[in-house]
Amino acid sequence: EADIYQTPRYLVIGTGKKITLECSQTMGHDKMYWYQQDPGMELHLIHYSYGVNSTEKGDLSSESTVSRIRTEHFPLTLESARPSHTSQYLCASSGSRQDATNEKLFFGSGTQLSVL
Amino acid sequence: QKEVEQNSGPLSVPEGAIASLNCTYSDRVSQSFFWYRQYSGKSPELIMSIYSNGDKEDGRFTAQLNKASQYVSLLIRDSQPSDSATYLCAVRNRDDKIIFGKGTRLHILP
Repeated sequence: EADIYQTPRYLVIGTGKKITLECSQTMGHDKMYWYQQDPGMELHLIHYSYGVNSTEKGDLSSESTVSRIRTEHFPLTLESARPSHTSQYLCASSGSRQDATNEKLFFGSGTQLSVL
Repeated sequence: QKEVEQNSGPLSVPEGAIASLNCTYSDRVSQSFFWYRQYSGKSPELIMSIYSNGDKEDGRFTAQLNKASQYVSLLIRDSQPSDSATYLCAVRNRDDKIIFGKGTRLHILP
């Protein structure tokens, strides 16, 4: 049902590398979100966007940055990866143009990032 | 105080019994409340949303909301082994952010 895609599914990278996690949705949703989740722990909102050129930081401080140049695309970038960034990153979207009141979050499959 | 609080469990319930999951939230202005289910290694999926005080039923699931007590619950009737998962309570707060609790692990005993 969910047409939201994240790549890569798994990423193992060395300290100091720049990485971009991709997230795309084909549902025409205006709202997009990035959550961070460690095993057995809660989802923490790190970034969200209400539309093109709109980005806001979430409740959990993150060294990552995001951009929203196109409605369907919401990439997350880490300029210099560190072991403390090791986590699962989940992208989600909600609210189609036809039904902006629909608050159901559709989640991607996630990116499991490991920084060595 | 966390915005959304849940007992992390695990909550063990015999197959066929009623599972009761609870959640409290701190932002009194919150208007939208959600229950998501997350299987191990998978992404969350929406089970129920509720916006008004009272009960909302969907199949074996019933969500209950009490805004005066800032309390949301989820009841699962006739629990099945396939219901074993982590159940996440989520709230849209005054800043229009959807904030999740840490989840309750539910284990249905065959």
